Amino acid sequence: GNSVTQMEGPVTLSEEAFLTINCTYTATGYPSLFWYVQYPGEGLQLLLKATKADDKGSNKGFEATYRKETTSFHLEKGSVQVSDSAVYFCALMTSGGYNKLIFGAGTRLAVHP
Amino acid sequence: DAGITQSPRHKVTETGTPVTLRCHQTENHRYMYWYRQDPGHGLRLIHYSYGVKDTDKGEVSDGYSVSRSKTEDFLLTLESATSSQTSVYFCAISEVSSGGNEQFFGPGTRLTVL
Repeated sequence: GNSVTQMEGPVTLSEEAFLTINCTYTATGYPSLFWYVQYPGEGLQLLLKATKADDKGSNKGFEATYRKETTSFHLEKGSVQVSDSAVYFCALMTSGGYNKLIFGAGTRLAVHP
Repeated sequence: DAGITQSPRHKVTETGTPVTLRCHQTENHRYMYWYRQDPGHGLRLIHYSYGVKDTDKGEVSDGYSVSRSKTEDFLLTLESATSSQTSVYFCAISEVSSGGNEQFFGPGTRLTVL
C-alpha cells in the first residue's frame, strides 16, 4: 500500500545551521508530494509541493526535490531560524483518489539561538 | 486563509456520550476531510466527502460517522465517545485545479474523553 516514512525527531539545531529532514515514500503510480508545517497550537499549513519527478518545490527558504529513483522528497533549508521551530509533515497524494493525503508521522524541529 | 472554521475548538466529554464536531467552509470547495492527529501517527483520515450527501470511509473510520447536507458544512459524530478517541481533530478542504490539488486545513478541535 501507499505510505510515507519520515526521520524521527526531535531534530535540534542552532540558529543558522543547515537542515535536512528525510522523507521516503511507497506508492503506486505517480503521486504528488507535499511538505506541511504545523506551528504550536495551530493547524497545518502547506509549505511546498511537487507534482512530478525532478520537480523542486520551494518556499520561505525551504526546498525539496521529487526523486523518483530513490522515492524520496527530503526537506532542506540552508540556514534555520528560531521561528522555524515547528512540526514538519511529509505527505503524498495519489492520482485519481479524491485528493486524499497520506501523511508521515511528523518530525519536530527545535531551533535554539 | 482558506476560510475554514471548526467548532468547538476545545471539548471535554465523558465516555459514552455523543459528540458532534462541525467544519464550515466559505469557499464552496467540493472535497472535505476529517483527520485525527495523534503522537507518532501523523494525521490519519477518518472520513471524507466528495459532494453533498457523498461520503466515504478513510483509514480509521470505526466509531465515527459523518454527514454533509450542505456544501459548506461537514459534521463528524462520535456516537458514543471512548477514551481512545481523545485526539486533535482537523478538517480540511480541497479542490481539483490545474495548479495542483493541495489540501487546506482548519485550526483543529482538541477533544478529551474522560
